[in-house]
Amino acid sequence: EPEVTQTPSHQVTQMGQEVILRCVPISNHLYFYWYRQILGQKVEFLVSFYNNEISEKSEIFDDQFSVERPDGSNFTLKIRSTKLEDSAMYFCASSRDRGFTDTQYFGPGTRLTVL
Amino acid sequence: GEDVEQSLFLSVREGDSSVINCTYTDSSSTYLYWYKQEPGAGLQLLTYIFSNMDMKQDQRLTVLLNKKDKHLSLRIADTQTGDSAIYFCAESNENRDDKIIFGKGTRLHILP
Repeated sequence: EPEVTQTPSHQVTQMGQEVILRCVPISNHLYFYWYRQILGQKVEFLVSFYNNEISEKSEIFDDQFSVERPDGSNFTLKIRSTKLEDSAMYFCASSRDRGFTDTQYFGPGTRLTVL
Repeated sequence: GEDVEQSLFLSVREGDSSVINCTYTDSSSTYLYWYKQEPGAGLQLLTYIFSNMDMKQDQRLTVLLNKKDKHLSLRIADTQTGDSAIYFCAESNENRDDKIIFGKGTRLHILP
């Protein structure tokens, strides 16, 4: 069964450094998402992406965050200057159709630790 | 704003039924979901229900939706050790575009 994959599984970085989290969505999916889960907290929506542009973003997704689909398979989340509070599990998801009409399939997550 | 609430822990004896409950605030929810997260793994979609349905059954899983009370439950029949995980209730709304609102998750612990 096709699945969403994410790399790396765990990323450790120093505060102020840039990180890029990578995702390979399911191949025939057109809508892509990033969520994050701070330890002990809820899974929170960050951003959705369709047709090479952001379709929706939350208040968490400020100027230090960006997303990109650099080629036909990868979908990346960049954090420009990491803060301690960016430490979380980051989940990528994809769906064939809009998020409210089709189910979103999630990857295994990347645990980001900011020191 | 929209919110999803669920209890944080549930302990059940192996072989018994588990019932995980969830309440939500958005009366216009379109889809309601149950996701499972095993240790070190991602969010696995277990099942979902349209808001115009009352019940959905899928093998050992039964989802009940009480739209009036905004209450969703997941029943797992004949609970096995492999069911030990965190179960997330979630909802989406076609007027809210793409994002899914999640609860904090219920950790299901299986007693021998």
